[in-house]
Amino acid sequence: DVKVTQSSRYLVKRTGEKVFLECVQDMDHENMFWYRQDPGLGLRLIYFSYDVKMKEKGDIPEGYSVSREKKERFSLILESASTNQTSMYLCASSLPHRGAGTYEQYFGPGTRLTVT
Amino acid sequence: RKEVEQDPGPFNVPEGATVAFNCTYSNSASQSFFWYRQDCRKEPKLLMSVYSSGNEDGRFTAQLNRASQYISLLIRDSKLSDSATYLCVVRVNAGGTSYGKLTFGQGTILTVHP
Repeated sequence: DVKVTQSSRYLVKRTGEKVFLECVQDMDHENMFWYRQDPGLGLRLIYFSYDVKMKEKGDIPEGYSVSREKKERFSLILESASTNQTSMYLCASSLPHRGAGTYEQYFGPGTRLTVT
Repeated sequence: RKEVEQDPGPFNVPEGATVAFNCTYSNSASQSFFWYRQDCRKEPKLLMSVYSSGNEDGRFTAQLNRASQYISLLIRDSKLSDSATYLCVVRVNAGGTSYGKLTFGQGTILTVHP
């Protein structure tokens, strides 16, 4: 059974703190993603990685950075947390797209981050 | 204009009803299309891919109209367990990389009641 795990389900941090969100997948997937999900806005891509040490900006990378030192692990870093980063953060992984094959992303359970 | 637009609902239907969700996308270079399902306080999961010829999976039928840039999902004989948020998802190829960016609609909320 495929599995994506995230380090915390709930997290409360103070403004200005450095925050690390960890994601681990056990499916040997090349691609990994970080999204945030907010009411009325849906899922928005923050960053993704298609290989170890590779990263690409998504639609809303400002205020975030990422690290992928090992294939199974993808970390999201909030350098200085702000209240507008209060959100649900979802990690996902997938195989690389080839041809017209199904391109399913498997999601972790999410981390609800509150910045006060 | 949003890249993927859905009617957010909510749709409240009785058990046994047929319900249809619509979705439009703005990027004509979009290559692949999907419906994901997200239960309350859970992560999204793939429900089905959407093919140009239309496809069916049990009570669920998905259709694609590339000319109109429109995707639909039809649920027949609704069950209580169908209550969830349904996300319309579109993929655009990203040049020569093996990654294709997925863009999610904001989701349509469905509640099926007894």
